[in-house]
Amino acid sequence: GQNIDQPTEMTATEGAIVQINCTYQTSGFNGLFWYQQHAGEAPTFLSYNVLDGLEEKGRFSSFLSRSKGYSYLLLKELQMKDSASYLCAVKDSNYQLIWGAGTKLIIKP
Amino acid sequence: GAVVSQHPSRVICKSGTSVKIECRSLDFQATTMFWYRQFPKKSLMLMATSNEGSKATYEQGVEKDKFLINHASLTLSTLTVTSAHPEDSSFYICSARDHRERYTEAFFGQGTRLTVV
Repeated sequence: GQNIDQPTEMTATEGAIVQINCTYQTSGFNGLFWYQQHAGEAPTFLSYNVLDGLEEKGRFSSFLSRSKGYSYLLLKELQMKDSASYLCAVKDSNYQLIWGAGTKLIIKP
Repeated sequence: GAVVSQHPSRVICKSGTSVKIECRSLDFQATTMFWYRQFPKKSLMLMATSNEGSKATYEQGVEKDKFLINHASLTLSTLTVTSAHPEDSSFYICSARDHRERYTEAFFGQGTRLTVV
């Protein structure tokens, strides 16, 4: 079966750095996405990785290792507004998005 | 980025009635739209994939007669929850993409919070 694993919840301090990991096992791979979802709202796109390596976009970076079936989202200079759930999703061989359960990130002052 | 509009954002209905949720792509042609539901603190669960001009493909365990999907045009898909019951209360989200653009992200609507009383 297809499976995406990420931690259920993480806590970090304002101004710090946090890394959210995601491991996946899917039938085929056509890219990995990270989304941010605030409570009661729809997900918003953060990043996309299809090749191995690090993609940096401002305070957020995303890393992919296809051989390890592994990705992480790195958030720097954490702000209170970064408190949200972060969803990892993989496009499989049919270009369908397979979603992880999300990681709830709690930022403390 | 592309805009997907979902309406209504919140709806409360009586048990046994039907509710229609609309999903529109505002600035691109969405050959494929996806309908998800999400329970509190749970992941997005794909309910069905809707392709313009053809029947929707439902995921296992999703009742197609209860969740009617119509994708009549390249910019509009609708989900109708028929004979709603309290257990249908959930957050329903649509997403859309141009199927020809396989490497783009999905664009999400704002979501619809359905409460069945």
